[in-house]
Amino acid sequence: NAGVTQTPKFRILKIGQSMTLQCTQDMNHNYMYWYRQDPGMGLKLIYYSVGAGITDKGEVPNGYNVSRSTTEDFPLRLELAAPSQTSVYFCASHITTNTGELFFGEGSRLTVL
Amino acid sequence: GENVEQHPSTLSVQEGDSAVIKCTYSDSASNYFPWYKQELGKGPQLIIDIRSNVGEKKDQRIAVTLNKTAKHFSLHITETQPEDSAVYLCAASMFYFGTGTSLTVIP
Repeated sequence: NAGVTQTPKFRILKIGQSMTLQCTQDMNHNYMYWYRQDPGMGLKLIYYSVGAGITDKGEVPNGYNVSRSTTEDFPLRLELAAPSQTSVYFCASHITTNTGELFFGEGSRLTVL
Repeated sequence: GENVEQHPSTLSVQEGDSAVIKCTYSDSASNYFPWYKQELGKGPQLIIDIRSNVGEKKDQRIAVTLNKTAKHFSLHITETQPEDSAVYLCAASMFYFGTGTSLTVIP
């Protein structure tokens, strides 16, 4: 099993550009999450999904969009990139219960110039 | 919403000594408290977790304690080794993480 796979690992964007961070998991997990990690700030939840077709906002959703058309995929869309979106983004998933081990991807480092 | 505070932000210990990291939370309804270890350039990995109906949990050199009344929980690592050097993140549920502690174990 590959676990949680994120692409790309690194990306540089210009202000105003758009892009999609891809996340795929092969563990048949219903719950999926997107976090951003800034230096000294821990992880902040952007969006999450409890199953295909269902998404909800986390703590810092502004400037982002998500979709969940399949159990496996949970892409994160950045529209009109801003320097404040420079960060490391992590996708994670876990099984169907409300609590349990989060499985993280390796992260995607995004720089907006 | 929930607010999770984590201290200290950096911690250096001699190999073989113990390390303690503390987190406080604000929402008394929170009932799940995991700890993650994050190595440089990697995603976090769960090392131990505790639920609100338990006061303490141990796994070899790692232990977590929970005080629901005071709304704080702590990670204890005994007999530290250089490979324990990493960033440690506490969380209240899946939604709220602390700011991380960078632990350095000096050989």
